[in-house]
Amino acid sequence: QQQVKQSPQSLIVQKGGISIINCAYENTAFDYFPWYQQFPGKGPALLIAIRPDVSEKKEGRFTISFNKSAKQFSLHIMDSQPGDSATYFCAASKGAGTASKLTFGTGTRLQVTL
Amino acid sequence: ETGVTQSPTHLIKTRGQQVTLRCSSQSGHNTVSWYQQALGQGPQFIFQYYREEENGRGNFPPRFSGLQFPNYSSELNVNALELDDSALYLCASSQGLAANNEQFFGPGTRLTVL
Repeated sequence: QQQVKQSPQSLIVQKGGISIINCAYENTAFDYFPWYQQFPGKGPALLIAIRPDVSEKKEGRFTISFNKSAKQFSLHIMDSQPGDSATYFCAASKGAGTASKLTFGTGTRLQVTL
Repeated sequence: ETGVTQSPTHLIKTRGQQVTLRCSSQSGHNTVSWYQQALGQGPQFIFQYYREEENGRGNFPPRFSGLQFPNYSSELNVNALELDDSALYLCASSQGLAANNEQFFGPGTRLTVL
């Protein structure tokens, strides 16, 4: 059972363009939604995260938009750069004090071309 | 401050064998989580250890077991290896159990089962 659905599977964006990756979740108990960036041969690294009490969070070129009623959230990468080429995973977890297990989406492979 | 390290980097085993993977958590972290990442997929939660006790388990059979030591390093053991166990095994460390505590991932161990 896939609790976090991610799309698209792959994305090609020109340098300077906007990259948009979407995720949808099913479990309304989720209360923490991070995005991870993974380069080949490396483990995932936290990029940005949001709690459901806000609709948007921005850090530099990276923005998360969150729609609680639709159970959807998305990552926007502004002014995309070749160095942003990586695989991006959305994730969700729930409950302070419980096992903070992350439920990941299936990933989006982003390629930023010159 | 030393990050999360894992050993070995790569491992090849045959079906039916047993394997032990090791993880050293980031300094100051008392929680270690293990994930299995199949090729082209997002990481799947295996289990988590907090202060040497198992604290949550994903949908993995009992032949996946683990340990956490007093220095908070951890081992993942897999018995009776199957072909489908071929994957990247990631460990992540964090401080405490809060859902929004950042988990820092190691580079992973690539296990191939022949």
